[in-house]
Amino acid sequence: QVQLVESGGGVVQPGRSLRLSCAASGFTFSNYDMHWVRQAPGKGLEWVAVISYDGSDKYYADSVKGRFTISRDNSKNTLYVQVNSLRPEDTAVYYCAKNDYGMDVWGQGTTVTVSS
Amino acid sequence: DIQMTQSPSSLSASVGDRVIITCRASQGIRNDLVWYQQKPGKAPKRLIYAASSLQSGVPPRFSGSGSGTEFTLTISSLQPEDFATYYCLQHNTYHRTFGQGTKVEIK
Repeated sequence: QVQLVESGGGVVQPGRSLRLSCAASGFTFSNYDMHWVRQAPGKGLEWVAVISYDGSDKYYADSVKGRFTISRDNSKNTLYVQVNSLRPEDTAVYYCAKNDYGMDVWGQGTTVTVSS
Repeated sequence: DIQMTQSPSSLSASVGDRVIITCRASQGIRNDLVWYQQKPGKAPKRLIYAASSLQSGVPPRFSGSGSGTEFTLTISSLQPEDFATYYCLQHNTYHRTFGQGTKVEIK
């Protein structure tokens, strides 16, 4: 079945970096654009970034532009986001999602906590 | 960016009630709108896509309507498992935007 599994979250100090991963299975990963979406504790959903199926196009929310970099490796069926210069307000559950009429399939999320 | 204004932010309802949630887009988005349900600690689940198409496996008590700038999600007869938070999402532009969410609570 279609599955997305995120990893790479953790507790990190402000200003540090992390790389989050999303392993995809059950569908032809290289055919689909992919998203990162986050949700701060007790808050709503916030779209973070999208990458085209072949990695040629990338778009970011203003809140993360210049600090986050989305990428993918279609040979490994894996989506990534490099998160740099982390701030306390980046604390959230980070979800990856497959693009199909919006986002149709979501992972279970990985938690990033930015704290000193 | 397109802004999505969702209302109400919360509501209290009883089992069997009809519930209507609205999303308004700051500019026309055709029918590029999705509705999600989210329960605590879980990922969002898609209910409706293309504004009015029911996701496979979702009960028919859920329905969506609208086009352009005004959209609604209707739950025709609220069930105990429907108490959750609901979000709309516009995907008309590369910069996606979610509504603020509507928490449906038990009266």
